[in-house]
Amino acid sequence: RKEVEQDPGPFNVPEGATVAFNCTYSNSASQSFFWYRQDCRKEPKLLMSVYSSGNEDGRFTAQLNRASQYISLLIRDSKLSDSATYLCVVTHLDTGRRALTFGSGTRLQVQP
Amino acid sequence: NAGVTQTPKFRVLKTGQSMTLLCAQDMNHEYMYWYRQDPGMGLRLIHYSVGEGTTAKGEVPDGYNVSRLKKQNFLLGLESAAPSQTSVYFCASSLRDITSNQPQHFGDGTRLSIL
Repeated sequence: RKEVEQDPGPFNVPEGATVAFNCTYSNSASQSFFWYRQDCRKEPKLLMSVYSSGNEDGRFTAQLNRASQYISLLIRDSKLSDSATYLCVVTHLDTGRRALTFGSGTRLQVQP
Repeated sequence: NAGVTQTPKFRVLKTGQSMTLLCAQDMNHEYMYWYRQDPGMGLRLIHYSVGEGTTAKGEVPDGYNVSRLKKQNFLLGLESAAPSQTSVYFCASSLRDITSNQPQHFGDGTRLSIL
């Protein structure tokens, strides 16, 4: 089982739609959680951190459920420019070694 | 606003050749990281550094070596390249530890092909 699992998609949605991505992680000692965005053939860029109480940034809402070990990202009113791959990232300390695990990403294609 | 700069951007090597990838950051970050990204597998941590003169192994360190002689530079070396090392390599840096909710800033990648 992968440490961080995401549905690879692609999610094909029309402009203006609401779309949700889920990510599950296997290590209960995970400490920090992020969503990154990666455009085709580009570097990953931080979209938002994920806090225990949930957090919102404009059209984007992130939720963390520690009991069930999953993270979600909700995008409202999708724009063409939201088309990208969304990476779920989880960090933890593993026998003193820092570990940062990326999911393989969920691809979103917003269509006109 | 340079941020994190990787050189070279593209390289083709023959099996057995050696090369060094350079990562430079101008943000005075303590932490630096090297990742590889392969299709369907997400980014995997190769090595990382928590400060000048220190390095540590990540998830997939075999076949690679690193050095952090200066705070702003983190070098990734392939002593004897193998086709399995064909990948896109990303360098990243962060101000504080990755477990402290600090984001990582990525370079724009090096595409490496080993024939």
